[in-house]
Formats: sequence, C-alpha cells, structure tokens
Amino acid sequence: AQKVTQAQTEISVVEKEDVTLDCVYETRDTTYYLFWYKQPPSGELVFLIRRNSFDEQNEISGRYSWNFQKSTSSFNFTITASQVVDSAVYFCALSEAAAAGNKLTFGGGTRVLVKP
Amino acid sequence: DTAVSQTPKYLVTQMGNDKSIKCEQNLGHDTMYWYKQDSKKFLKIMFSYNNKELIINETVPNRFSPKSPDKAHLNLHINSLELGDSAVYFCASSHGTSAYNEQFFGPGTRLTVL
Repeated sequence: AQKVTQAQTEISVVEKEDVTLDCVYETRDTTYYLFWYKQPPSGELVFLIRRNSFDEQNEISGRYSWNFQKSTSSFNFTITASQVVDSAVYFCALSEAAAAGNKLTFGGGTRVLVKP
Repeated sequence: DTAVSQTPKYLVTQMGNDKSIKCEQNLGHDTMYWYKQDSKKFLKIMFSYNNKELIINETVPNRFSPKSPDKAHLNLHINSLELGDSAVYFCASSHGTSAYNEQFFGPGTRLTVL
C-alpha cells in the first residue's frame, strides 16, 4: 500500500532563511509519480511540481527546488530565501501507475510559517 | 475564469439533515474527484469519476453518494449528516486517469455539522 510521511508538522523561520521540507514515501510500484501542493491560508490547493519515478534529476524553479532520491524514498522540497508569502501548508503526494484511477495519497502536510 | 468551482463555500447544518455540494470544472477534463480534509489537515480521496463512470470508491459511508450528470460536473450528496462529517471537501479534476496527470483543485467547501 502506498504511504507518504511528512515528519515535520510545523516549521517556523524568519524571512530570507532557507527551509527544507522532508517527504518520505512507500510504494511497491516501480512506476509512480510524486507531487507537491501548496495550501495557503486562503485554503485552495495549488499544484507545484510533479516528478516521475524514473527521473531523479533535481529541479529548480525560482526560489523552489526539489531533491528526489529513490535510494532513500525521499522527495524533499527547499524554499530558498523564504518570504512571508511562502507561509502555507505544503503537501507531498504520491500516485501509483498500477493503481486504478489517479489516486493521490497525501502526506500529513507541513505548515510553514515565515515571520517578517 | 474559475477552473474548478464549488458551491457552496460554507455549509452549516444540523445533524440528521441531508445536503449537497456541487462541483463544476471548465478545463475540459474527463476525470473528477472528491477529497475530504479533516480538522488536522489530513487529505484523503473519497471518489473518482471518469466520463461519468465511478472509478475510485474508497471506504466511505453509504450516506455519501456522488453523482456525475456529465463530465464537467460531480456533485456530492450526504444523507443523515453526522458530527464527524464536519470537514473541508475538495473537488478536483484531471485530464484522464493516468497517475501522471496533476489534479486541479477547487476552493473547497467547509461543512460544519452542529
């Protein structure tokens, strides 16, 4: 069965500090996809990134970067030079190719609080 | 311009009542979902429809019945509401049922059962 664990429930930083969010997953499938979503205080869920199980290249998008390591079943997310607008709950999620439908299994989320 | 919309945004009701939440997407997607987010922010899938056909039906009480009149709509009807049904319900949509496809979420409906 698929499982996603985000061990950090809340992280508090001061603006301009870097923050790394951990995500560890479990799956028996060889083909799977990992996602990160952001949920700002307004409540909506915003898609940030998708990574497939065969692509271990790290990715950078502006101040956001992602480190995917199959050897440790981790897909960590770093915000560089954090800003107050980054304050949100961040969810890591997993979808297995072999599973029926497109079932997203979410981690418990990490709340990031960026103080000015 | 809203891609995935839900109505109502807030719903407050008494135990035992029956209520519905509506969802519409204008992205041209053929797959829609319902997720429940509890008070601890934990998100769990409830249902998924592809071309009006039920694809995913997680362990959800029979009191919850989804209905998809067409590909652009997926409504959620809840009978005999209980206190434990209080949560935020998110509708989502995607293009196809491949695990590759990202899901686009609606703004959520906060349901409070008194």
